[in-house]
Amino acid sequence: EADIYQTPRYLVIGTGKKITLECSQTMGHDKMYWYQQDPGMELHLIHYSYGVNSTEKGDLSSESTVSRIRTEHFPLTLESARPSHTSQYLCASSSLSGQGHYGYTFGSGTRLTVV
Amino acid sequence: GIQVEQSPPDLILQEGANSTLRCNFSDSVNNLQWFHQNPWGQLINLFYIPSGTKQNGRLSATTVATERYSLLYISSSQTTDSGVYFCAVEFSGNTPLVFGKGTRLSVIA
Repeated sequence: EADIYQTPRYLVIGTGKKITLECSQTMGHDKMYWYQQDPGMELHLIHYSYGVNSTEKGDLSSESTVSRIRTEHFPLTLESARPSHTSQYLCASSSLSGQGHYGYTFGSGTRLTVV
Repeated sequence: GIQVEQSPPDLILQEGANSTLRCNFSDSVNNLQWFHQNPWGQLINLFYIPSGTKQNGRLSATTVATERYSLLYISSSQTTDSGVYFCAVEFSGNTPLVFGKGTRLSVIA
């Protein structure tokens, strides 16, 4: 079944550690996104990609990096985790539908806690 | 600047009641979508509706693009409708969705 997968689902890590959040989709979508969301709050765009070897920064990108070496894979890396990074990270992908719009599909998210 | 504003921020309903959620946006849009985030955090796309009206079961949505607002109607609400409803907008071609702050809905039995 075509889907978008995020791992790990939950992560508790110490301050200063380097972490990579994984996101993969099996739908062949060209566009992928990372959003950060505090519980029940609005989503903030961190990074996005419109294809292989193409990445762009969003509003909250300064403390993280992404790569897009393969269409299906879009990992997010925090070089040095801080307590302020404690949040939920949501990955999404989209493609042009038959109706001419980009429909977004979201993964289940990674809940990160930095202690 | 670019803004997406949702109201009300919180809503409590008795099971079976109807409700209307509103989304105002600050500029013309290429894409407007409504999402439901369940209590476990999963975001589900409800409607793609940059203009016009659509219905899906007990849910319907209307966007009046010229007046820069969209409405989400929930009829005969059920406890499973609880969660946060987000409006998200693409303001210009080929840019990611910008999300509003959401409306938190609680449906009580």
